Amino acid sequence: RKEVEQDPGPFNVPEGATVAFNCTYSNSASQSFFWYRQDCRKEPKLLMSVYSSGNEDGRFTAQLNRASQYISLLIRDSKLSDSATYLCVVNKRAGNMLTFGGGTRLMVKP
Amino acid sequence: EAEVAQSPRYKITEKSQAVAFWCDPISGHATLYWYRQILGQGPELLVQFQDESVVDDSQLPKDRFSAERLKGVDSTLKIQPAELGDSAMYLCASSSAGTGNSYEQYFGPGTRLTVT
Repeated sequence: RKEVEQDPGPFNVPEGATVAFNCTYSNSASQSFFWYRQDCRKEPKLLMSVYSSGNEDGRFTAQLNRASQYISLLIRDSKLSDSATYLCVVNKRAGNMLTFGGGTRLMVKP
Repeated sequence: EAEVAQSPRYKITEKSQAVAFWCDPISGHATLYWYRQILGQGPELLVQFQDESVVDDSQLPKDRFSAERLKGVDSTLKIQPAELGDSAMYLCASSSAGTGNSYEQYFGPGTRLTVT
């Protein structure tokens, strides 16, 4: 079983739609969780951290369920510019060592 | 805005040849990472440095890969000899965190390696 698993997609949605991505992780000792965004042939960039209480940044909402070892990302009112691959990331163990999921590809269409 | 620099951006080499990549982290960042990303997959950590010391290289294929950060600033990743399966994007990242903290990692633009 992979340490971090994501549905690779692609998710094809129209502009304005709401879309949700899920991610599961295997290491119950993981303490830090993130969503990174990666555009085609570019480097990953931090989108947002994921906190136990859930957090929101504009149109983006991230949630963490430690009991189920599950992370989600919700994007409301999708824009064309949201088209990218979204990487679920957890720390491997105590310390700043990250494990990346395979990514979920989102395509927002006019 | 400070950035992580990498060179070259693209490299084509024949199998069995040697190849080297260079990374200059954001000034003051003590932690440096090398990742490999195969098309369609997430980045996979190869090696992590804290200053000039290797923190983790458990996923580095040491028979052909080597990495160094002699002065604790810039770093070089080498592959010798290159194999067809090494074709991938090699990403360097840096962080201001020590090994006990979790902070954002900033990625460079990567080096895209093609082995023919």
